[in-house]
Amino acid sequence: DAGITQSPRHKVTETGTPVTLRCHQTENHRYMYWYRQDPGHGLRLIHYSYGVKDTDKGEVSDGYSVSRSKTEDFLLTLESATSSQTSVYFCAISDSPQGAQYFGPGTRLLVL
Amino acid sequence: AQTVTQSQPEMSVQEAETVTLSCTYDTSESDYYLFWYKQPPSRQMILVIRQEAYKQQNATENRFSVNFQKAAKSFSLKISDSQLGDAAMYFCAYRSSRDDKIIFGKGTRLHILP
Repeated sequence: DAGITQSPRHKVTETGTPVTLRCHQTENHRYMYWYRQDPGHGLRLIHYSYGVKDTDKGEVSDGYSVSRSKTEDFLLTLESATSSQTSVYFCAISDSPQGAQYFGPGTRLLVL
Repeated sequence: AQTVTQSQPEMSVQEAETVTLSCTYDTSESDYYLFWYKQPPSRQMILVIRQEAYKQQNATENRFSVNFQKAAKSFSLKISDSQLGDAAMYFCAYRSSRDDKIIFGKGTRLHILP
């Protein structure tokens, strides 16, 4: 299995608070992604990174920001959490644009 | 924009039997990649199989194989000798050769009946 970890694995927070999720990889892959998974929607891309300090928006980026200061870490921040951001968040990595993506174990976030 | 459609929200198959999961996609491009991912109850996404559009030969990984019909834009997954551990949500996914993003279908939940 690819070396990808996500932290925290579970989090409960209140509306309006900032939340940061961390994705850490030990594979030295260039590409990293954040998805959210919701019933009826499958996986939707939030943001992705194609290198250190290089990021771009995905399909559902509103209310989220990301940062990548090191190859191994990709942070997802919910600037002011809302109940609509209750979801399971997955990080993924890839070594090339043509390659498959390898997923982390996911973070279950509940916003009350 | 590219789309991926999985028309079967749920399927069931008897253990040891063969099952085929359907996937169609829409694209105007000729060079792309297709994937099937498995998500068991643990929720981790696992790559099952991958197909390059320029390859005519269908990809195979042990009991998993695909039927790739480029003209019909169809990419079905066949699971032979189904096992209880195959029970999961299966996602079909598309990736353009010109893009860093993967587009996922909404998934098919597969039940294995003992």
